[in-house]
Amino acid sequence: AQRVTQPEKLLSVFKGAPVELKCNYSYSGSPELFWYVQYSRQRLQLLLRHISRESIKGFTADLNKGETSFHLKKPFAQEEDSAMYYCALRVGGATNKLIFGTGTLLAVQP
Amino acid sequence: NAGVTQTPKFRVLKTGQSMTLLCAQDMNHEYMYWYRQDPGMGLRLIHYSVGEGTTAKGEVPDGYNVSRLKKQNFLLGLESAAPSQTSVYFCASSPSGRGNEQFFGPGTRLTVL
Repeated sequence: AQRVTQPEKLLSVFKGAPVELKCNYSYSGSPELFWYVQYSRQRLQLLLRHISRESIKGFTADLNKGETSFHLKKPFAQEEDSAMYYCALRVGGATNKLIFGTGTLLAVQP
Repeated sequence: NAGVTQTPKFRVLKTGQSMTLLCAQDMNHEYMYWYRQDPGMGLRLIHYSVGEGTTAKGEVPDGYNVSRLKKQNFLLGLESAAPSQTSVYFCASSPSGRGNEQFFGPGTRLTVL
């Protein structure tokens, strides 16, 4: 079965603390994973994708095929990181369809 | 460029009424998608289109119909609205080609009484 699991509905941290947003997936093929972010009163936007191996706004995510995970990490949280974060798995061949997790709300306290 | 736009932003319907949500994109993208977002459920794909004149069912298509008569527009219809269709609806578009990102609209908040 194709599935994306984000076990935490809410993650609350203090400014400057490390952040790890968990994402696990179930997929029989070669996975392509993404993190999307939705800031308050803004539209959903791509944060990063695993194939790019990039760091965006200090966030990184490594695909671990053995643990079927794609956790999002940042060493020092900032208040402006507060948002809803969705992990997504590309399915459906060339159609670029995505399956989304249920999302994790990150709240960074001052 | 406006990117992906959605009309209307908000709507309240009574059970049994019909309505159409309009999504428009000015990026010449081949692929377009309709999602619904519900608390605790994330985003779920309703229908999608891989080109003008084509549509396909997603994860939760029941109760919805779509049309893609023009490349830049993707319409989502509710023929007989039900309270279970109360949700926030997002449209997205993507260039063709493997792994391209989806660009999202601002959403339409629909309440069915």
